Amino acid sequence: DVKVTQSSRYLVKRTGEKVFLECVQDMDHENMFWYRQDPGLGLRLIYFSYDVKMKEKGDIPEGYSVSREKKERFSLILESASTNQTSMYLCASRSGRLHYEQYFGPGTRLTVT
Amino acid sequence: ILNVEQSPQSLHVQEGDSTNFTCSFPSSNFYALHWYRWETAKSPEALFVMTLNGDEKKKGRISATLNTKEGYSYLYIKGSQPEDSATYLCAVFQGGSEKLVFGKGTKLTVNP
Repeated sequence: DVKVTQSSRYLVKRTGEKVFLECVQDMDHENMFWYRQDPGLGLRLIYFSYDVKMKEKGDIPEGYSVSREKKERFSLILESASTNQTSMYLCASRSGRLHYEQYFGPGTRLTVT
Repeated sequence: ILNVEQSPQSLHVQEGDSTNFTCSFPSSNFYALHWYRWETAKSPEALFVMTLNGDEKKKGRISATLNTKEGYSYLYIKGSQPEDSATYLCAVFQGGSEKLVFGKGTKLTVNP
Protein backbone atom coordinates (compact mmCIF):
# COMPACT_ATOMS: atom_id res chain seq x y z
CA ASP A 1 0.00 0.00 0.00
CA VAL A 2 1.14 3.51 -0.79
CA LYS A 3 1.70 5.48 2.32
CA VAL A 4 1.82 9.22 2.52
CA THR A 5 2.54 10.46 6.00
CA GLN A 6 2.52 13.94 7.44
CA SER A 7 4.51 15.00 10.45
CA SER A 8 1.62 16.23 12.59
CA ARG A 9 -2.16 15.82 12.68
CA TYR A 10 -2.70 18.96 14.73
CA LEU A 11 -0.47 21.98 15.15
CA VAL A 12 -0.94 25.26 16.99
CA LYS A 13 1.46 28.10 16.23
CA ARG A 14 1.67 31.78 17.00
CA THR A 15 1.55 34.60 14.48
CA GLY A 16 5.01 35.30 13.08
CA GLU A 17 6.45 31.86 13.81
CA LYS A 18 8.19 29.88 11.09
CA VAL A 19 6.29 26.64 10.52
CA PHE A 20 7.46 23.47 8.81
CA LEU A 21 5.02 20.83 7.58
CA GLU A 22 6.68 17.62 6.47
CA CYS A 23 5.37 15.00 4.07
CA VAL A 24 6.93 11.63 3.24
CA GLN A 25 5.84 9.06 0.67
CA ASP A 26 7.15 5.54 0.29
CA MET A 27 6.27 4.68 -3.33
CA ASP A 28 9.05 6.44 -5.22
CA HIS A 29 6.54 8.88 -6.78
CA GLU A 30 7.93 11.66 -8.92
CA ASN A 31 5.19 14.17 -8.16
CA MET A 32 4.28 15.62 -4.78
CA PHE A 33 1.72 18.28 -3.90
CA TRP A 34 0.64 20.54 -1.06
CA TYR A 35 -3.00 21.62 -0.81
CA ARG A 36 -5.04 23.53 1.69
CA GLN A 37 -8.68 22.88 2.32
CA ASP A 38 -11.03 25.53 3.65
CA PRO A 39 -14.80 25.33 4.09
CA GLY A 40 -16.62 26.35 0.94
CA LEU A 41 -13.42 26.66 -1.08
CA GLY A 42 -12.46 23.06 -1.75
CA LEU A 43 -8.91 21.82 -2.21
CA ARG A 44 -6.54 24.50 -3.47
CA LEU A 45 -3.04 23.78 -4.71
CA ILE A 46 -0.25 25.68 -2.97
CA TYR A 47 2.89 24.19 -4.56
CA PHE A 48 3.91 21.04 -6.32
CA SER A 49 7.14 19.32 -7.25
CA TYR A 50 7.74 16.94 -10.16
CA ASP A 51 11.29 16.02 -9.23
CA VAL A 52 13.94 16.50 -6.58
CA LYS A 53 14.83 20.19 -6.19
CA MET A 54 12.11 21.13 -8.69
CA LYS A 55 9.05 23.10 -7.65
CA GLU A 56 6.21 24.98 -9.25
CA LYS A 57 3.71 27.40 -7.83
CA GLY A 58 0.13 26.31 -7.56
CA ASP A 59 -2.87 28.58 -7.32
CA ILE A 60 -2.18 30.14 -3.90
CA PRO A 61 1.60 30.18 -3.25
CA GLU A 62 1.75 33.53 -1.45
CA GLY A 63 3.13 33.22 2.07
CA TYR A 64 4.48 29.72 1.48
CA SER A 65 7.66 28.10 0.23
CA VAL A 66 8.62 24.47 -0.30
CA SER A 67 11.64 22.24 -0.27
CA ARG A 68 12.32 18.90 -1.96
CA GLU A 69 15.82 17.72 -1.24
CA LYS A 70 14.99 14.01 -1.43
CA LYS A 71 12.49 12.26 -3.67
CA GLU A 72 10.41 10.90 -0.79
CA ARG A 73 10.11 14.13 1.20
CA PHE A 74 8.31 17.38 0.42
CA SER A 75 8.23 20.16 2.98
CA LEU A 76 5.90 23.14 3.17
CA ILE A 77 7.24 26.20 4.95
CA LEU A 78 5.29 29.12 6.31
CA GLU A 79 7.98 31.76 6.68
CA SER A 80 5.95 33.92 9.06
CA ALA A 81 2.66 32.34 10.01
CA SER A 82 -0.46 34.48 9.91
CA THR A 83 -3.99 33.82 11.15
CA ASN A 84 -5.31 33.53 7.59
CA GLN A 85 -3.10 30.47 7.18
CA THR A 86 -5.21 28.58 9.72
CA SER A 87 -6.41 25.66 7.64
CA MET A 88 -6.25 21.94 6.90
CA TYR A 89 -3.11 21.11 4.89
CA LEU A 90 -3.00 17.99 2.76
CA CYS A 91 0.01 16.47 1.08
CA ALA A 92 -0.34 14.14 -1.92
CA SER A 93 1.90 12.18 -4.21
CA ARG A 94 1.47 10.63 -7.64
CA SER A 95 3.35 8.62 -10.19
CA GLY A 96 4.57 10.61 -13.18
CA ARG A 97 1.75 9.27 -15.34
CA LEU A 98 -1.42 11.35 -15.43
CA HIS A 99 -3.74 8.36 -15.56
CA TYR A 100 -2.72 7.34 -12.06
CA GLU A 101 -4.52 8.54 -8.98
CA GLN A 102 -3.08 10.77 -6.30
CA TYR A 103 -2.47 9.41 -2.83
CA PHE A 104 -3.15 11.73 0.06
CA GLY A 105 -1.75 12.03 3.53
CA PRO A 106 -4.00 12.30 6.60
CA GLY A 107 -3.77 16.08 6.76
CA THR A 108 -2.43 18.57 9.27
CA ARG A 109 -4.88 20.92 10.93
CA LEU A 110 -2.90 24.07 11.58
CA THR A 111 -4.18 26.80 13.86
CA VAL A 112 -2.34 30.10 13.96
CA THR A 113 -3.24 32.26 16.95
CA ILE B 1 -8.41 28.99 -15.53
CA LEU B 2 -10.00 25.56 -15.45
CA ASN B 3 -13.21 25.56 -13.42
CA VAL B 4 -14.63 22.31 -12.08
CA GLU B 5 -18.19 22.53 -10.75
CA GLN B 6 -19.90 19.94 -8.59
CA SER B 7 -23.55 19.75 -7.73
CA PRO B 8 -25.28 19.56 -5.41
CA GLN B 9 -23.08 20.98 -2.64
CA SER B 10 -24.68 18.66 -0.10
CA LEU B 11 -27.20 15.88 -0.07
CA HIS B 12 -29.10 14.02 2.65
CA VAL B 13 -30.61 10.65 1.76
CA GLN B 14 -32.13 7.73 3.62
CA GLU B 15 -30.41 4.37 3.86
CA GLY B 16 -31.34 2.33 0.82
CA ASP B 17 -31.95 5.30 -1.48
CA SER B 18 -30.00 5.54 -4.71
CA THR B 19 -28.41 8.86 -5.48
CA ASN B 20 -26.24 10.61 -8.02
CA PHE B 21 -24.26 13.79 -8.34
CA THR B 22 -22.63 15.75 -11.13
CA CYS B 23 -19.22 17.10 -12.04
CA SER B 24 -19.01 19.66 -14.87
CA PHE B 25 -15.84 20.86 -16.58
CA PRO B 26 -14.74 22.59 -19.80
CA SER B 27 -14.66 20.01 -22.58
CA SER B 28 -11.76 21.59 -24.43
CA ASN B 29 -8.30 20.08 -23.93
CA PHE B 30 -9.64 17.44 -21.51
CA TYR B 31 -7.18 14.77 -20.43
CA ALA B 32 -8.50 12.85 -17.41
CA LEU B 33 -11.07 12.99 -14.62
CA HIS B 34 -10.66 11.64 -11.11
CA TRP B 35 -13.27 10.89 -8.43
CA TYR B 36 -12.21 10.75 -4.77
CA ARG B 37 -14.09 9.90 -1.58
CA TRP B 38 -13.14 11.83 1.54
CA GLU B 39 -14.50 10.50 4.81
CA THR B 40 -14.26 12.56 7.95
CA ALA B 41 -10.92 12.15 9.77
CA LYS B 42 -9.45 10.15 6.88
CA SER B 43 -7.45 10.90 3.73
CA PRO B 44 -9.19 11.33 0.37
CA GLU B 45 -9.12 8.02 -1.51
CA ALA B 46 -9.36 7.54 -5.25
CA LEU B 47 -12.51 5.90 -6.58
CA PHE B 48 -12.04 6.19 -10.34
CA VAL B 49 -9.75 7.65 -12.98
CA MET B 50 -11.50 8.13 -16.32
CA THR B 51 -10.13 9.32 -19.61
CA LEU B 52 -12.28 8.24 -22.55
CA ASN B 53 -15.60 9.65 -23.70
CA GLY B 54 -18.31 7.16 -22.76
CA ASP B 55 -16.18 5.53 -20.05
CA GLU B 56 -18.16 3.77 -17.36
CA LYS B 57 -16.51 2.47 -14.21
CA LYS B 58 -17.93 0.52 -11.30
CA LYS B 59 -16.76 -0.40 -7.82
CA GLY B 60 -19.34 -2.28 -5.80
CA ARG B 61 -22.44 -0.08 -5.47
CA ILE B 62 -20.68 2.99 -6.86
CA SER B 63 -20.38 3.74 -10.56
CA ALA B 64 -19.38 6.68 -12.71
CA THR B 65 -19.84 7.81 -16.29
CA LEU B 66 -17.95 10.31 -18.39
CA ASN B 67 -19.01 12.56 -21.27
CA THR B 68 -16.00 14.52 -22.48
CA LYS B 69 -17.81 16.12 -25.42
CA GLU B 70 -20.31 17.92 -23.23
CA GLY B 71 -18.03 18.16 -20.20
CA TYR B 72 -19.68 16.22 -17.40
CA SER B 73 -19.38 13.13 -15.26
CA TYR B 74 -21.99 11.48 -13.04
CA LEU B 75 -21.30 9.49 -9.89
CA TYR B 76 -24.04 7.03 -8.86
CA ILE B 77 -24.48 5.25 -5.55
CA LYS B 78 -26.99 2.42 -5.52
CA GLY B 79 -28.70 1.55 -2.22
CA SER B 80 -26.84 4.11 -0.09
CA GLN B 81 -25.49 2.96 3.26
CA PRO B 82 -24.45 5.10 6.26
CA GLU B 83 -20.81 4.22 5.54
CA ASP B 84 -21.16 5.98 2.17
CA SER B 85 -21.41 9.28 4.06
CA ALA B 86 -18.46 11.34 2.84
CA THR B 87 -17.49 14.23 0.63
CA TYR B 88 -17.08 13.17 -2.99
CA LEU B 89 -14.50 15.16 -4.93
CA CYS B 90 -14.15 15.43 -8.66
CA ALA B 91 -10.86 16.59 -10.21
CA VAL B 92 -9.81 17.20 -13.80
CA PHE B 93 -6.54 17.27 -15.74
CA GLN B 94 -6.21 19.39 -18.82
CA GLY B 95 -3.62 18.58 -21.46
CA GLY B 96 -0.29 20.28 -20.89
CA SER B 97 -0.71 20.58 -17.14
CA GLU B 98 0.57 18.42 -14.29
CA LYS B 99 -2.07 19.86 -11.96
CA LEU B 100 -5.34 18.28 -10.98
CA VAL B 101 -8.02 20.92 -10.49
CA PHE B 102 -10.57 19.95 -7.84
CA GLY B 103 -14.21 20.84 -7.54
CA LYS B 104 -15.57 21.88 -4.15
CA GLY B 105 -17.12 18.50 -3.56
CA THR B 106 -20.54 17.06 -2.79
CA LYS B 107 -21.12 16.21 0.86
CA LEU B 108 -23.32 13.12 1.17
CA THR B 109 -25.03 12.17 4.42
CA VAL B 110 -26.86 8.85 4.57
CA ASN B 111 -29.29 8.59 7.45
CA PRO B 112 -29.95 5.13 8.93
